Amino acid sequence: QKEVEQDPGPLSVPEGAIVSLNCTYSNSAFQYFMWYRQYSRKGPELLMYTYSSGNKEDGRFTAQVDKSSKYISLFIRDSQPSDSATYLCAMSNYQLIWGAGTKLIIKP
Amino acid sequence: KAGVTQTPRYLIKTRGQQVTLSCSPISGHRSVSWYQQTPGQGLQFLFEYFSETQRNKGNFPGRFSGRQFSNSRSEMNVSTLELGDSALYLCASSAPGQDYEQYFGPGTRLTVT
Repeated sequence: QKEVEQDPGPLSVPEGAIVSLNCTYSNSAFQYFMWYRQYSRKGPELLMYTYSSGNKEDGRFTAQVDKSSKYISLFIRDSQPSDSATYLCAMSNYQLIWGAGTKLIIKP
Repeated sequence: KAGVTQTPRYLIKTRGQQVTLSCSPISGHRSVSWYQQTPGQGLQFLFEYFSETQRNKGNFPGRFSGRQFSNSRSEMNVSTLELGDSALYLCASSAPGQDYEQYFGPGTRLTVT
């Protein structure tokens, strides 16, 4: 079993929909929880990070961490075609552990 | 501030050859990590260097090696290339105390034939 599990998708939704992306993990020692976005032919870029539990909002993006369930989520409101990318979760105690990435497609 | 740069961007090599990839981190970043990305395996951690010392290592064979120079620039080397080494190799740098925030370069696309 991998330390971090993430459905690779693809996940296809119509423009304007609310998107929910999720990761589960097994290591309770993780303290930092990150979401990265990767466009085709580019390196990943950090979208948001959360320390420990709770929610964090940045514009149309909301990150949630539920440490009791070992589950993290990224919500995208009013999704746009420009949001089409691969979204990777990552977690850290002393070393970053990455999810497989979910390919998201927003259909105009 | 200039981003992370990687050279070359594309590379085609033959099985059995060796290859060296280069990475220049963001100015002031002393930590450099290397990753291999493939469609089947996702992003896999190779190793991390900090102040010229390897600080962490992933689960890759000894054919994969790296080093970091005093100016924080880093190189990774793959010897005796195999077809399965075809991948996107990404380099990322981070500021001291902010390992969770990795800044990635565009990657080097390596094709082994």
